[in-house]
Amino acid sequence: SQTIHQWPATLVQPVGSPLSLECTVEGTSNPNLYWYRQAAGRGLQLLFYSVGIGQISSEVPQNLSASRPQDRQFILSSKKLLLSDSGFYLCAWSSPRSRVGTEAFFGQGTRLTVV
Amino acid sequence: AQKITQTQPGMFVQEKEAVTLVCTYDTSDPSYGLFWYKQPSSGEMIFLIYQGSYDQQNATEGRYSLNFQKARKSANLVISASQLGDSAMYFCAMREGRDNYGQNFVFGPGTRLSVLP
Repeated sequence: SQTIHQWPATLVQPVGSPLSLECTVEGTSNPNLYWYRQAAGRGLQLLFYSVGIGQISSEVPQNLSASRPQDRQFILSSKKLLLSDSGFYLCAWSSPRSRVGTEAFFGQGTRLTVV
Repeated sequence: AQKITQTQPGMFVQEKEAVTLVCTYDTSDPSYGLFWYKQPSSGEMIFLIYQGSYDQQNATEGRYSLNFQKARKSANLVISASQLGDSAMYFCAMREGRDNYGQNFVFGPGTRLSVLP
């Protein structure tokens, strides 16, 4: 069966520090991968998605970047964190044979607090 | 324009009673899928149920059922026999046929359900 791992679960970082959140998927090949951010008490905002190694699409221009160095690895990064980067970050995957009925499966999330 | 609307920021239901969480959507694509996710306090998003735009029958998964009214663009989630463990945020989401990679997997703002003992 497929599983998705995301770490760390919580993170407190000072303003101006770098960020690296990692997500890996097991049990599937060539998944579509996504990074979402959820502000407190609100819905999900898609940040990046990837359909293959090295292929990253950004939905929202901001202080963050994403990379996909391996087929089932997705990394969210920042060179210098801002206070506004605080939030709950969720990694997700869906089948590469993507259709309207293809659900996304989510990791456990990372709660980032920038201080 | 907002594609998914959930007009109930918060709801309360008594344990063992049924509850309906409201979701309306907006799309011009004839092919689309509607999803409901549950997010407990732990944060992970748990997939609950799916309804396709061409499905003739309402979807059901255990205690969850989806009341799909296509003409009204409504996809309400019905939870029967509520349990304390159902207390969580619930998100309605949609994918359109033109969405090849899931990049337009749109989520509503969510409804917080609290089940009372």
